Formats: sequence, C-alpha cells, structure tokens
Amino acid sequence: SYELTQPPSVSVSPGQTASITCSGDKLGNKYACWYQQKPGQSPVLVIYQDNKRPSGIPERFSGSNSGNTATLTISGTQAMDEADYYCQAWDSNTYVFGTGTKVTVL
Amino acid sequence: QVTLKESGPVLVKPTETLTLTCTVSGFSLSNARMGVSWIRQPPGKALEWLAHIFSNDEKSYSTSLKSRLTISKDTSKSQVVLTMTNMDPVDTATYYCARTVGILWLERWFDPWGQGTLVTVSS
Repeated sequence: SYELTQPPSVSVSPGQTASITCSGDKLGNKYACWYQQKPGQSPVLVIYQDNKRPSGIPERFSGSNSGNTATLTISGTQAMDEADYYCQAWDSNTYVFGTGTKVTVL
Repeated sequence: QVTLKESGPVLVKPTETLTLTCTVSGFSLSNARMGVSWIRQPPGKALEWLAHIFSNDEKSYSTSLKSRLTISKDTSKSQVVLTMTNMDPVDTATYYCARTVGILWLERWFDPWGQGTLVTVSS
C-alpha cells in the first residue's frame, strides 16, 4: 500500500520560515493536499492540488511538489500556526494521509 | 456557508454495528463535483480515509476495511450514512465527514470537515 512519510516534528521561531516535507513514491506525479489541525479541532484544508490556497488561507502558506517530495512552506510563521499538519494524496483508488508533523513555534 | 455535522452513538460494544449520519448544508448531494467522505482519527494518531460517495452514486471504500463498511446517501434529506460492522476497540476514534471536491479521483480534496464525533468501542 502507498505510504506518505512526514517528519514527526518541526520547530520554528516566530517570523521565520517552516518547511514540512511529505515523502512518497513518485509523489510528484500526483496531486498533494495539506491540512492543518489544531488541538481539539477538525482539520482545515490549507493547500490543494499541490500549490493552490483555498479562500481565507493566508498567503504565508504555500506548497510545492516534485519528484518524491511535497513541501508545505509557512513564511513568516506566527504563533497561531502551531498545529499538526497532514499531507494527503491519492493512489490506487484510495486517499492516503501522511503520518503528520507537529509544528511548534518557539 | 457549507457545513457538515456528524451524529451517532458515542459508545458501542465490541461486535456491534456502528451507524453514523452526516447531515450537510450549503451544498447539494446531487452536485456532480461534490461528494462526502468519512475519515477517522484514533486518539493521538493520524487520519485514515474510510469511504466516499458522490452524486452519481459512485462509492469507494478503504481496501483494508472494505468488507465492514457500507456508505449510502439520502439526497432529499442531505444525509450520508456510514455503517461499520463488527466493531472492535481498535476502532475507537473520532469519525469525521468531509465534503469531497473534484470530478476525478486524483484531483480531489476534503473541504470543509465536520466537527467530528468520538466513538468509543468498549464492553
């Protein structure tokens, strides 16, 4: 079965850039999405189709996808961005989620 | 405004069947580009997609859980129902429904999500 691997945690200082990776076989040939989940809340879509932002999502969130890795970048990270982030892609008629990354804003 | 709300039991016994209902508003289940998926998350763990249904009655299930799942919809009531048979304590999780957007499998995404409902499996 298809797997998407993320680093368990990423730490970033306020105002700096956080990069969260998502690795999967030939992931660049698929569309990647990213979801933000704050404690006790439902996931929220922040990036779809590799690099598109839904309305209401700040411009500091951006995405890219190439080769075997998709990347979510948070520029000018704010304290409110502290959350778990999950990537997601499709493979063989199944939607697959990544292992999740906890972003801590120090 | 698009909203989804899950409802169902908070506690089920092992071997019982779980029935969850997702009531949607702000979009129609007859919209060709939109469907509803069920996704679950065990406490402290990652998300797991379970099933989806679209307006043309396209249905699909997680490979590992396919034998236990059934998804259906009532367009007139704006509801999607998921049943999962033979529940086990490992099925304890928060169950979410989410609008699924996009015509083709490979381009779809989940937005928005319902608030989720925690289901505990215990005797």
